[in-house]
Amino acid sequence: QKEVEQNSGPLSVPEGAIASLNCTYSDRGSQSFFWYRQYSGKSPELIMSIYSNGDKEDGRFTAQLNKASQYVSLLIRDSQPSDSATYLCAVKKWTGNQFYFGTGTSLTVIP
Amino acid sequence: DTAVSQTPKYLVTQMGNDKSIKCEQNLGHDTMYWYKQDSKKFLKIMFSYNNKELIINETVPNRFSPKSPDKAHLNLHINSLELGDSAVYFCASSQGQGLSPLHFGNGTRLTVT
Repeated sequence: QKEVEQNSGPLSVPEGAIASLNCTYSDRGSQSFFWYRQYSGKSPELIMSIYSNGDKEDGRFTAQLNKASQYVSLLIRDSQPSDSATYLCAVKKWTGNQFYFGTGTSLTVIP
Repeated sequence: DTAVSQTPKYLVTQMGNDKSIKCEQNLGHDTMYWYKQDSKKFLKIMFSYNNKELIINETVPNRFSPKSPDKAHLNLHINSLELGDSAVYFCASSQGQGLSPLHFGNGTRLTVT
């Protein structure tokens, strides 16, 4: 079983719509959760982190965490063409400071 | 100022050669990592290292070895390069046991011919 699973997509949404990205993880000992955005040919950049159950909002981005269901999601409101990228879900475990990544979801925002 | 820097950005070499990739971080983090990203964008952890512990992903061939001269540097040495080693390698750092995220370098694209 993979540590972190994401729907690999590709996901296409029209400009201005809400993009919803989902991630599940296998280890209940996971400590903290991150969403990274990666443009083609670039390194991953952190866009959201979440540690507690519930929602966390930052601008157009909302991260949602449900530890009981081992589920974390990212909502992007008012999607823009510049949001077109691969979104990587990452999970950090309590032990060993290890970060595990999902396979990424490719998002295309259509103007 | 660059937080995590790695060199070179591109590395083209032939099978059987030995090569190194250098990584430095100026964030004061205590843990550094190497990740391999394949053509399908999957980021696979290879090593994590702080001044106390080296954790090696068991699937990493022993041709790969990390070398850390100090807590700000973690270099990656690769012996007897194979075609399948072609990928983008990312160095990253984080602050230990806390909730600190990973900070990535710009990546090194390795091509083995």
